[in-house]
Amino acid sequence: QSILTLPPSVSAAPGQTVTMSCSGNSNNIGSNDVSWYRQFPGTGPQLLIYQGDKRASGIPDRFSGSKSDRSATLGITGLQFGDEALYFCAVWDRSLRIWLFGGGTHVTVL
Amino acid sequence: QVPLVQSGAEVGKTGASVRLSCKASEDTFTNHYYVHWVRQAPGQGLEWLGVLYATVGSTAYGPKFEGKVTLTKDTSTGTIFLDLRGLASEDTGVYYCMRSVFMTAVTDDSFWAQGTLVSVS
Repeated sequence: QSILTLPPSVSAAPGQTVTMSCSGNSNNIGSNDVSWYRQFPGTGPQLLIYQGDKRASGIPDRFSGSKSDRSATLGITGLQFGDEALYFCAVWDRSLRIWLFGGGTHVTVL
Repeated sequence: QVPLVQSGAEVGKTGASVRLSCKASEDTFTNHYYVHWVRQAPGQGLEWLGVLYATVGSTAYGPKFEGKVTLTKDTSTGTIFLDLRGLASEDTGVYYCMRSVFMTAVTDDSFWAQGTLVSVS
């Protein structure tokens, strides 16, 4: 079981908005920057968001990241069928001295 | 030039060892990148194994992988290696190398290689 908690799945119709929250503690999300990744089946992770709220190169502004205390959130607006994928949060834990990854959230476009 | 390119799939027997390689562009070694290894078991999430500071070769490992994993580099060939010992069924999965400028943070120039499938029989 992952230390970082993400919902296993979220879904919405095309054009709508989904959000997913990654919950941690003071040693990880509470003290370090969160990054977000997207992964399509059979491929490696693709960076979406880094340093909490900065979009990686080529990522549309439909994707956004934010943080509040010990929780980080990824939002996707204007949902498209091409957004169906697995989404992970990642952060360094200063106590465990390891990188942590959330278990992953499957995004389904209805 | 692609920053990182990994070697092909490996099959190992239980109890044996396997070596994975990650060929890195020259700037990985000259521009002070960290190269991390992350694995993903079938249908599971991501798990961090450890990191090598490419410029000097210093390493850090997740506590779970101390004694299990060794990271090394060969600057002459521009290759970073992951040695995985005592293979068990739970080591089956895809292993990724990834580079970042900082050890504990990611920036836009971070890069993930394509992954190497390890199958333990």
